[in-house]
Amino acid sequence: AQSVTQLGSHVSVSEGALVLLRCNYSSSVPPYLFWYVQYPNQGLQLLLKYTTGATLVKGINGFEAEFKKSETSFHLTKPSAHMSDAAEYFCAVSDPPSGTYKYIFGTGTRLKVLA
Amino acid sequence: KAGVTQTPRYLIKTRGQQVTLSCSPISGHRSVSWYQQTPGQGLQFLFEYFSETQRNKGNFPGRFSGRQFSNSRSEMNVSTLELGDSALYLCASRRDRNTEAFFGQGTRLTVV
Repeated sequence: AQSVTQLGSHVSVSEGALVLLRCNYSSSVPPYLFWYVQYPNQGLQLLLKYTTGATLVKGINGFEAEFKKSETSFHLTKPSAHMSDAAEYFCAVSDPPSGTYKYIFGTGTRLKVLA
Repeated sequence: KAGVTQTPRYLIKTRGQQVTLSCSPISGHRSVSWYQQTPGQGLQFLFEYFSETQRNKGNFPGRFSGRQFSNSRSEMNVSTLELGDSALYLCASRRDRNTEAFFGQGTRLTVV
């Protein structure tokens, strides 16, 4: 069964610093990969996705992620953190080519941005 | 383009009661999935509906059920509520089963 691991349930960065949120998946074949952000008392907002093609994916709000098959990773980065980036971030996988359409989510990483 | 609409946003119910949550997907989207979010268990898949048929079901008891109507709107029902059912219930809408999901703002259910 597929699983998703997000290292670090809490990450703190200074405003203007690099944001790096880690996500590793377990799968023998490349799945579909997603990053979502959740603000308090809100639903999930899609930041970016990887299905096929270019391994460096750009998303909204300056975020990007790189799919690395050899490392089974899909880490989320942003060059310069902004106070408004403080939220919880979830990595998710699905595998439609193999018939797995549901999303499997990581446990989430809460990002704190320090002034 | 309107997003995914979930109603109501907040609900308080008593143990033993039943509850129905509603989800209106994005226009043209045919797949609706439901997820339960709790602090202890995180985000867990409940079920997925596509073209009015349940296509997949998560590991939840039979008290949790759902349906999808011909206009793609979906409802989920929880009977005989337990305290542990308190959670944020999220609906996700997809154009097709293999496209990205867009989530509603959720329904916060509190069971007392």
